[in-house]
Amino acid sequence: QVQLVESGGGLVNPGGSLRLSCAASGFIFSDYYMSWVRQAPGKGLEWLSYINSSSSAIFYAGSAKGRFTISRDNAKNSLFLQMNRLRGEDTAVYYCVRERYCTGGNCIDTFDIWGQGTMVTVSS
Amino acid sequence: QLVLTQSPSASASLGASVKLTCTLSSGHSRYPIAWHQQQPEKGPRYLMKLNSDGSHYKGDGIPDRFSGSSSGAERYLTISSLQSEDEADYYCQTWGPGIRVFGGGTKLTVL
Repeated sequence: QVQLVESGGGLVNPGGSLRLSCAASGFIFSDYYMSWVRQAPGKGLEWLSYINSSSSAIFYAGSAKGRFTISRDNAKNSLFLQMNRLRGEDTAVYYCVRERYCTGGNCIDTFDIWGQGTMVTVSS
Repeated sequence: QLVLTQSPSASASLGASVKLTCTLSSGHSRYPIAWHQQQPEKGPRYLMKLNSDGSHYKGDGIPDRFSGSSSGAERYLTISSLQSEDEADYYCQTWGPGIRVFGGGTKLTVL
């Protein structure tokens, strides 16, 4: 079935780094844009970044710009988020999400498949 | 600036209907949105995409009790025949050039 599975979360010291992964299955990964979204404890959803199908277009929210890097490997059906210089306020559950679908020059916006999330805790 | 505004809370009785609202910022009234549900201690689940003309496209397995409608800059999610499992946070979300935006979420209590 269509599925996204995140991994790589954990406890990290302030100033440290972490690399999150998202494994996609059940659909043609290379046809879709992908996003990362996070949710701090007790807070709402915050979009962080998206990457287009070919990795030629990448955008970040202000909170992620300069510290986080999104990437993908279409051959391995995988999405990544490299997080550097982590701070306490980065403590959150991180979700990967399937979004915009493009084929034959036409694109359809969606945000329809969420992973189960991976917890990142930044603390000494 | 693309912003989505939601009321923080709503409540309705078991078996009744409730209509949640998401308001698009000025100049963005024709944008489509998506509605997502997050039940307690679970990850978000996509409910539907809702266009400015009120047409909506639900995700797989979403019950008929969930429907969407639009009026101007407002996008609505109506849940009929409320059940206890509908008690959840509901988020609207939209797509902008180089950005994705979430509303602050509405916490729905089923009385």
